[in-house]
Amino acid sequence: AQSVTQPDIHITVSEGASLELRCNYSYGATPYLFWYVQSPGQGLQLLLKYFSGDTLVQGIKGFEAEFKRSQSSFNLRKPSVHWSDAAEYFCAVGAGNDMRFGAGTRLTVKP
Amino acid sequence: DSGVTQTPKHLITATGQRVTLRCSPRSGDLSVYWYQQSLDQGLQFLIQYYNGEERAKGNILERFSAQQFPDLHSELNLSSLELGDSALYFCASSVGPAGTYEQYFGPGTRLTVT
Repeated sequence: AQSVTQPDIHITVSEGASLELRCNYSYGATPYLFWYVQSPGQGLQLLLKYFSGDTLVQGIKGFEAEFKRSQSSFNLRKPSVHWSDAAEYFCAVGAGNDMRFGAGTRLTVKP
Repeated sequence: DSGVTQTPKHLITATGQRVTLRCSPRSGDLSVYWYQQSLDQGLQFLIQYYNGEERAKGNILERFSAQQFPDLHSELNLSSLELGDSALYFCASSVGPAGTYEQYFGPGTRLTVT
């Protein structure tokens, strides 16, 4: 069965600094990969997704993610973080009937 | 706004009681998913329905049940409630039945069991 690991439970970055959130997956074939963001008290919102093709995908709010098959990773990046990016970020892998979510990474943005 | 609606927004009830949470999917979506999110367990998949039929089951307790109606809205029934059932319950919807379709989440129902 597929699984998703987000190694970082909590990350703190300064406003304006770059951001990379890590996601590793385990699956026999190339899965469908997603990043979601959850602001406090809100539901999850889709940031971006990867199905096939170009391994660098662009999402909303200036986020991008790169699929690296050799490393089984799908890391989320943003060149310059804004205070409004403070939230919980979830990586998810979909295959078959199943979508699995990682445990989430909480992002704190320092002024 | 994802287009997925959930009611009620907040629910406070006592142990042993039964509650019903309601979800309306995005227009055109046939799949509905239910998730439970708590501080200690994270985001847990409970159950999925596709076009009225149960499609997949996750960590759903026997005290919990769900159904999807012909108009595609869904209800999650929680009975014999315990303190540990206090959590955020999310509904999500997608176009298709498979895990390969992106899911759109509702704002959630916060359940507090006292």
